[in-house]
Amino acid sequence: NAGVMQNPRHLVRRRGQEARLRCSPMKGHSHVYWYRQLPEEGLKFMVYLQKENIIDESGMPKERFSAEFPKEGPSILRIQQVVRGDSAAYFCASSPAGGDYGYTFGSGTRLTVV
Amino acid sequence: AQTVTQSQPEMSVQEAETVTLSCTYDTSESDYYLFWYKQPPSRQMILVIRQEAYKQQNATENRFSVNFQKAAKSFSLKISDSQLGDAAMYFCAYRGRGETSGSRLTFGEGTQLTVNP
Repeated sequence: NAGVMQNPRHLVRRRGQEARLRCSPMKGHSHVYWYRQLPEEGLKFMVYLQKENIIDESGMPKERFSAEFPKEGPSILRIQQVVRGDSAAYFCASSPAGGDYGYTFGSGTRLTVV
Repeated sequence: AQTVTQSQPEMSVQEAETVTLSCTYDTSESDYYLFWYKQPPSRQMILVIRQEAYKQQNATENRFSVNFQKAAKSFSLKISDSQLGDAAMYFCAYRGRGETSGSRLTFGEGTQLTVNP
């Protein structure tokens, strides 16, 4: 059981480029959540997805950010035209259903915008 | 909206001693879950302990236990017999069970725990 896999571990992008962050949930988990952690802060909820559906995107910035969880393959968090303020650690978590017993987190992707 | 407050940005403890990390939260819901997560330097978020609000009994996991005071909206974590490997950032988190709050964890700002040998 490989756990929640996120890649890349580190990502450097220049301002204006696109960033794609990938997350493969734990085997048997059909719910995926994305969180962002700014330096010296706690994690902030961004989006909750099930296969092919966005369930709750209330934490997503209105522009430049999008997420998907296709029928096949990993969940993708996409940030277009990155700015310095997007620099953060982005964590993915998964759960079998609802998360009543807590979520299993990946190790995160640290995005640095230069 | 739910909020989670950890009033201790940093704490330290001597190896083998006991330390308590504080957490308070604000919610209008009556049924919810509370969690403590540990984040070591590796950045991995590790679930330490979980509490269901409708259960009066405090959760315990080996050396980790909580003091859950529902009326006071307080959820502190006690670490007994502290070990060097316990050094990490600890986050308190809330998850509601309502339609709008039940899909996400709300985290506090964290408490950095140092364990001194």
